[in-house]
Amino acid sequence: DTEVTQTPKHLVMGMTNKKSLKCEQHMGHRAMYWYKQKAKKPPELMFVYSYEKLSINESVPSRFSPECPNSSLLNLHLHALQPEDSALYLCASSQVKGYSTSTDTQYFGPGTRLTVL
Amino acid sequence: KNEVEQSPQNLTAQEGEFITINCSYSVGISALHWLQQHPGGGIVSLFMLSSGKKKHGRLIATINIQEKHSSLHITASHPRDSAVYICAASMDSNYQLIWGAGTKLIIKP
Repeated sequence: DTEVTQTPKHLVMGMTNKKSLKCEQHMGHRAMYWYKQKAKKPPELMFVYSYEKLSINESVPSRFSPECPNSSLLNLHLHALQPEDSALYLCASSQVKGYSTSTDTQYFGPGTRLTVL
Repeated sequence: KNEVEQSPQNLTAQEGEFITINCSYSVGISALHWLQQHPGGGIVSLFMLSSGKKKHGRLIATINIQEKHSSLHITASHPRDSAVYICAASMDSNYQLIWGAGTKLIIKP
């Protein structure tokens, strides 16, 4: 199984809503990533979890709150978002190479298309 | 100047043509990744290479470490190859990928 799944596929929310994005993989990968992608731009890294611990937070506003409840699941909790947060949110996973933090091939999910009204 | 640069930005070709997309980087890397993104979102990793050449079906990726240059070739191109192709560099020091801007490829029947 080389699949990363993401739910929901589409999400429309108001600025006062609280919602969550979910990502799951069963490849035994111990690094998981959240990316944000705006139209016609490459993905921007938001967070990296390594062995279920937050390894990288790319100065993401606190209205985005990641959670890694176990080695297969990654959530992104959303609260009080702004219209400019509308984007495609991609989850990815990869092997961790021993003690190195170099990324192995990343496997991406299909993404959640988020619209904030 | 971006650390990873791709060319061309856009490429339109006829079905059957041989396609080349180029990627140059200015940083020391541990590996160079080629990825494909179809309209609608999903990203697929095509290759990760640190030296030489890799082939998968009609796709070939090469890298020249001394020249800090990589190419992605598509032989016998097909309309289903139409997508955005992105190169990205990874370094030993962190998990981050340094992304190129992408090449939008359209193959006309």
